[in-house]
Amino acid sequence: AQTVTQSQPEMSVQEAETVTLSCTYDTSESDYYLFWYKQPPSRQMILVIRQEAYKQQNATENRFSVNFQKAAKSFSLKISDSQLGDAAMYFCALYRTDKLIFGTGTRLQVFP
Amino acid sequence: DAGITQSPRYKITETGRQVTLMCHQTWSHSYMFWYRQDLGHGLRLIYYSAAADITDKGEVPDGYVVSRSKTENFPLTLESATRSQTSVYFCASSESRQPSHEQYFGPGTRLTVT
Repeated sequence: AQTVTQSQPEMSVQEAETVTLSCTYDTSESDYYLFWYKQPPSRQMILVIRQEAYKQQNATENRFSVNFQKAAKSFSLKISDSQLGDAAMYFCALYRTDKLIFGTGTRLQVFP
Repeated sequence: DAGITQSPRYKITETGRQVTLMCHQTWSHSYMFWYRQDLGHGLRLIYYSAAADITDKGEVPDGYVVSRSKTENFPLTLESATRSQTSVYFCASSESRQPSHEQYFGPGTRLTVT
C-alpha cells in the first residue's frame, strides 16, 4: 500500500497566482515529520518546508505554507504569488522508522 | 565547501558489468543514504549508513552493494548491472537520524544500462 500519495501528477498556475499541491499519507505513529521537497530541472532536491506532527500550527516559509490536517492525514502545500522559478517537481515525504518515504511527485508548470 | 558531491554525473554501461557510483560529503555527517528515482515511484531508499562500517538495507536493496570505510564516502556498487537498474541515483547525508536534521542531497547520477 502506498504510504505517501500525491494524486496530482501535473498542475499548472499563472504567475502571481496561488496553487495548492495535495498529499495524503498513512502512518500509525503519533509523532512524525512531513516534508515538501522541490526538484527543479537541475535535479537538485531542495527542502521547501517541514512540519512536525505534534505542532498544530501550520508551517510557513515565505511564499510556501502547508495545510496540515492530522486527523485526515492530509498535508497540502500552498504556493502564493507563484514565480517562474517555482516550476519544478514537488515531492511530499513522510519520515517514518528512520527513513524518508516519498510520494510520486507533482510536476508544477508556471505560465507567465 | 563542496557539500555533497556525486560522480560520475552520467554513466552508460552494459548489462552484466560492474559499476560504482561515488558519493562524498564534506560535513562529517554521520548518516548517508542512497536513493533511486524512477518515474511513477518517486525516490526509493536503497541503502543507508549510520556511521563508518555500519550499513543497512532500505526499500530496494537487491542488486546493490555498499560500503563505508570512511565517514565522508559512501560508494554504491552494482555488481552485475541490469536494465531495470537504469535510473537516477541520489546520495544524501544527514547529521543524525532525527528528522529535525535535514537530509542534504547530492546532484544525482543518471545511469543507463544498455
